[in-house]
Amino acid sequence: AQSVTQLGSHVSVSEGALVLLRCNYSSSVPPYLFWYVQYPNQGLQLLLKYTSAATLVKGINGFEAEFKKSETSFHLTKPSAHMSDAAEYFCATYSGGYQKVTFGTGTKLQVIP
Amino acid sequence: EAGVVQSPRYKIIEKKQPVAFWCNPISGHNTLYWYRQNLGQGPELLIRYENEEAVDDSQLPKDRFSAERLKGVDSTLKIQPAELGDSAVYLCASSSHGGKPGANVLTFGAGSRLTVL
Repeated sequence: AQSVTQLGSHVSVSEGALVLLRCNYSSSVPPYLFWYVQYPNQGLQLLLKYTSAATLVKGINGFEAEFKKSETSFHLTKPSAHMSDAAEYFCATYSGGYQKVTFGTGTKLQVIP
Repeated sequence: EAGVVQSPRYKIIEKKQPVAFWCNPISGHNTLYWYRQNLGQGPELLIRYENEEAVDDSQLPKDRFSAERLKGVDSTLKIQPAELGDSAVYLCASSSHGGKPGANVLTFGAGSRLTVL
């Protein structure tokens, strides 16, 4: 079954610094990969998705992710962190069919003023 | 559009009591999901509906959990009796993907936070 692994349960960055959240996938077939964001006391919201059309995917709020097959990675980045980016971020993929979405354990991003 | 609506947002009960959560998906979304999110963890699928049919309930603890989606729209998730370990956020999501790979994007509700004392 396809799965994702997120490295680092907590990441702290200074406001204006680069954001890098790590996600690695395991898949024997080309994967479909997603990043979701969860703000406090809210549900998850889609940031971006990779569907094999382009390796660099741009999402909302200035985030982007690059699919690297050689590294089996799909890391999420943003050039300059904003206070409003403080949230929990989940990497996800299909597992056992295109209707079953499986999530990683999440990375909580803290932005320090 | 209202999005996925869940209620109640918060529920505190004593162990062995029953509890029910309600979800109204986005209009036209044929697929409905219930996920459980424990503190510090990612969401884990409990059950998935295609219209009114439960097509994946392998992770649903059937001795105490039940769910229904009458008429293929609203859904209710019930726990009876609740245990201390059931404290979590219960998330409902819906999607309309047309069976296309990569098109299945879930829209989540705000969740129902359950505390069992």
